[in-house]
Amino acid sequence: AQSVSQHNHHVILSEAASLELGCNYSYGGTVNLFWYVQYPGQHLQLLLKYFSGDPLVKGIKGFEAEFIKSKFSFNLRKPSVQWSDTAEYFCAVTFSNDYKLSFGAGTTVTVRA
Amino acid sequence: DAGITQSPRYKITETGRQVTLMCHQTWSHSYMFWYRQDLGHGLRLIYYSAAADITDKGEVPDGYVVSRSKTENFPLTLESATRSQTSVYFCASMGWRKDTGELFFGEGSRLTVL
Repeated sequence: AQSVSQHNHHVILSEAASLELGCNYSYGGTVNLFWYVQYPGQHLQLLLKYFSGDPLVKGIKGFEAEFIKSKFSFNLRKPSVQWSDTAEYFCAVTFSNDYKLSFGAGTTVTVRA
Repeated sequence: DAGITQSPRYKITETGRQVTLMCHQTWSHSYMFWYRQDLGHGLRLIYYSAAADITDKGEVPDGYVVSRSKTENFPLTLESATRSQTSVYFCASMGWRKDTGELFFGEGSRLTVL
């Protein structure tokens, strides 16, 4: 069955530390990949997306993600986090160009000042 | 620039009661979705709609009913609420270019079923 997995449930780190959140999916066909963020008390918003082309995509607020097809992964990174990056992060995938997104369970990121 | 609005934002109800969560978008987006967010499960798709009068079941549709008589509205009804339906419900929409994949979310409706 098609699924999306996020390895880390809760990540705690200090300001200026580097962040990497894992995302894997199980599907051998065409995928479109997304990262969404939900800041405390706010609605979800798109951080970045990958459809094709350069597997390293850059999003808003200094985030980037790398699509590694052989590993079925789309990990999110940020070199130096800020307290304002405290949020919940969701990986999402569409399978075979379907328009419905399947979400991972989410990773809560807490950045300590 | 209202975007997508949900109401009520907070609701407490009792088991067995009918509850309707409203969703309204001002962009005339074709696609609309209802998700529920639960700890450890992320967002799970309940129902979706590709256009007015076209709806379909998602991953967890049992106990829910939707309608879409107008493009801008997509209400979600819990016919007989159960405790397991305590959750945060998010409505989302997507423009006609479905391959952009960008969902626009409402602020959520937090439902507690006692």
